[in-house]
Amino acid sequence: GQQVQQSPSSLVLQEGENAELQCNFSSTATQLQWFYQSPGGSLVSLLSNPSGTKHTGRLTSTTVTKERRSSLHISSSQTTDSGTYLCAIEGAGAKLTFGGGTRLTVRP
Amino acid sequence: NAGVIQTPRHKVTGKGQEATLWCEPISGHSAVFWYRQTIVQGLEFLTYFRNQAPIDDSGMPKERFSAQMPNQSHSTLKIQSTQPQDSAVYLCASSLDWGGWNTLYFGAGTRLSVL
Repeated sequence: GQQVQQSPSSLVLQEGENAELQCNFSSTATQLQWFYQSPGGSLVSLLSNPSGTKHTGRLTSTTVTKERRSSLHISSSQTTDSGTYLCAIEGAGAKLTFGGGTRLTVRP
Repeated sequence: NAGVIQTPRHKVTGKGQEATLWCEPISGHSAVFWYRQTIVQGLEFLTYFRNQAPIDDSGMPKERFSAQMPNQSHSTLKIQSTQPQDSAVYLCASSLDWGGWNTLYFGAGTRLSVL
């Protein structure tokens, strides 16, 4: 089945620093999404980016479909960015396969 | 719009008991998904419905798990004879339509603890 690997598994930053999160997947994805999960909170969709580069606010995602990888760049991190970031891909059908996530801690 | 509503937020059952989890999707959304989240396995797909019809239940443990969507306003996930390994956060999500280009909205989840 499809596999999604995320790195690093955890990341600690000082407020104001940038974060780079990586997602690699094992097979062709018709769709790729990034989600955010706050500590003890719900999952929130950040953006969909099956290919190319997409920006929203301080987030930039770049997906290189041929190389089966995607990145999420968070600029000027804030303490409120702390939480877990999950990458998910959709192959055949509508179901998503999730990676293990990157736990981000932003210190003041 | 209250978002996806899941009840109860926490449920504790004894081994061998039955657990029923409820989900109210966002009004007007035609696709409803169930996922399970554990520390060890992460987020795992269980099943999904489109316009109340079951489409894919490939992630469901066949023998004890069942899901239904009797009307467009709620779905249930039933676990019979619960086992300690069923302990997890069960997440329901809905989207306007099926397909990954539709934004998926998750509920807060039901934390199931099987003692």
